[in-house]
Amino acid sequence: AQSVTQLDSHVSVSEGTPVLLRCNYSSSYSPSLFWYVQHPNKGLQLLLKYTSAATLVKGINGFEAEFKKSETSFHLTKPSAHMSDAAEYFCVVLSGGFKTIFGAGTRLFVKA
Amino acid sequence: KAGVTQTPRYLIKTRGQQVTLSCSPISGHRSVSWYQQTPGQGLQFLFEYFSETQRNKGNFPGRFSGRQFSNSRSEMNVSTLELGDSALYLCASSLGAGGPGQFFGPGTRLTVL
Repeated sequence: AQSVTQLDSHVSVSEGTPVLLRCNYSSSYSPSLFWYVQHPNKGLQLLLKYTSAATLVKGINGFEAEFKKSETSFHLTKPSAHMSDAAEYFCVVLSGGFKTIFGAGTRLFVKA
Repeated sequence: KAGVTQTPRYLIKTRGQQVTLSCSPISGHRSVSWYQQTPGQGLQFLFEYFSETQRNKGNFPGRFSGRQFSNSRSEMNVSTLELGDSALYLCASSLGAGGPGQFFGPGTRLTVL
């Protein structure tokens, strides 16, 4: 069975410091993995996706994620947080049968 | 290029009624996916349509149904509304099929009283 676990429900960082949002997945198949961001009262925006090409994926707004099969992880990182990064982030797995499973989300707080 | 449009944005219904929500994808996109977002259950996949055919369906009861028209616009219908159907319903559009969705709409906020 496929599943996705976002290890932190809330993450708080100071502006200018690195961001790390953690995601582990479980899949019987070679998965496609995605990160989305949702700002308050807005729809979701695709940040990046992994589809079995390069394991280090670069996305928009300076975010990147690394697919680690041995650790079944797909953590999202950014070298330097901006105030505008404050939002909720979702890790998503698309697995066999094209079932889309969203993680529970991680709320990112950025302190000035 | 216009984004994904969902109508209406807000809706209030009472238990037992039915509701139809509409999603217009980005021009040229043929795939539309629907999701339900609630504080308790998070984001859950409802179904995906591609070229007027339902490709995939999530674990929702038969009260939830959808369709897609030849212009790729999609509607979802919920019959016999329950209090637990109160949620934000999101749709997403993509060029191709088989993914969570490339661009999401702002959602329709459904409240069931």
